[in-house]
Amino acid sequence: AQSVTQPDIHITVSEGASLELRCNYSYGATPYLFWYVQSPGQGLQLLLKYFSGDTLVQGIKGFEAEFKRSQSSFNLRKPSVHWSDAAEYFCAVGSEGNEKLTFGTGTRLTIIP
Amino acid sequence: ETGVTQTPRHLVMGMTNKKSLKCEQHLGHNAMYWYKQSAKKPLELMFVYSLEERVENNSVPSRFSPECPNSSHLFLHLHTLQPEDSALYLCASSQEDRSGVDRAEAFFGQGTRLTVV
Repeated sequence: AQSVTQPDIHITVSEGASLELRCNYSYGATPYLFWYVQSPGQGLQLLLKYFSGDTLVQGIKGFEAEFKRSQSSFNLRKPSVHWSDAAEYFCAVGSEGNEKLTFGTGTRLTIIP
Repeated sequence: ETGVTQTPRHLVMGMTNKKSLKCEQHLGHNAMYWYKQSAKKPLELMFVYSLEERVENNSVPSRFSPECPNSSHLFLHLHTLQPEDSALYLCASSQEDRSGVDRAEAFFGQGTRLTVV
């Protein structure tokens, strides 16, 4: 069975600082990996996704993520965070031919001045 | 505007009430989903409809009853709920590629915040 682990429940970062959110997955074959962001009171918005090809994926809002098969990781990064990036971030894994997505428990990001 | 609209945004209901959550997608997708989001727990997939047929039901109690009358609309009928059913219920849709070449992302609605009293 596929699973996703986001080890950091809450991260606080200063505005302008760099950010890395961790995601580890467990899946037998090549996974399809996603990062979603959820602002308070909102639904989930897709930031980026990895299916195949280049392991460094660019997303919206200046985010990127790198797929590392050897580490079973798909960490999300941003070189310089903005106050508007404060939200909850979810990593998810899916599989070919299966509509089901498995989500992590999320990481809440707080931005301080 | 996300393309997936959920109503109502907030709902408070007693344990003996019957209510329905509505989801509508304007993206021409062929699959729709109900998820439950509770505090400090991963998103739980409840139901999947693909081409208007239910393809997955993750052991959800029968007090939750989905309905998908067409590819654009999805309902979740609620009756005799329990306080632990209070959560954010998210609807999502996606365009599934049956050839297996691609794996589409899901587009989510803003959710219905349900409180059972």
